[in-house]
Amino acid sequence: QSVLTQPPSVSGAPGQRVTISCTGSSSNIGSGYDVHWYQHLPGTGPKLLVYGNSNRPSGVPDRFSGSKSGTSASLAIIGLQAEDDADYYCQSYDSSLSGSVFGGGTKLTVL
Amino acid sequence: QLQLQESGPGLVKPSETLSLTCSVSGGSISSGSYYWGWIRQPPGKGLEWIGNIYYSGFIYYNPSLKSRATISKDTSKNHFSLNLSSVTAADTAVYYCARLVPSRRGYFDFWGQGTLVTVSS
Repeated sequence: QSVLTQPPSVSGAPGQRVTISCTGSSSNIGSGYDVHWYQHLPGTGPKLLVYGNSNRPSGVPDRFSGSKSGTSASLAIIGLQAEDDADYYCQSYDSSLSGSVFGGGTKLTVL
Repeated sequence: QLQLQESGPGLVKPSETLSLTCSVSGGSISSGSYYWGWIRQPPGKGLEWIGNIYYSGFIYYNPSLKSRATISKDTSKNHFSLNLSSVTAADTAVYYCARLVPSRRGYFDFWGQGTLVTVSS
């Protein structure tokens, strides 16, 4: 049972827009701590997609965007491409753990 | 470009100690700007944070693993390590090392490719 809750799966056709939600609680996202997002392909380490709720590292396409409100955050992907087929994880800080917490991951299938 | 590489036994017997090393190239673990962390992913499950170490030696652990996990560093070899004692099948996972940027309460910007550790007799 992950501290942050994500839908197990989402899907979309090429070119479409999908969103992935991440719900936390008062000890993490709800306390104002930032949310970060990762893309994970099999056999590789996760790749940082969004940090600080809505900032993209250099090299990440602007098709990926993040937002946060209250105890939840969302990752939006527009103009879906086949290469976006991957697992996506959210991460935040939790004051009860004094450390990082992750969501359970969302499998994005590009149809 | 910073690179991290995990290494260690792929098979550990129950009740024994799991030992992994993360070798860092393209950057120094002595940099005061970052923490260095361990994260794991059991088969079919999500990511779980294990702990972080700072260049000064200060360490944070996940409370659920604190009694069994030990993170250390060797700045002369530019690597940091994880020991997890008294392992059980529940510790079977892909183990990742990563660099933690401490701003915004911490995010991992570079990851190793991960190494699978199976706990079995």
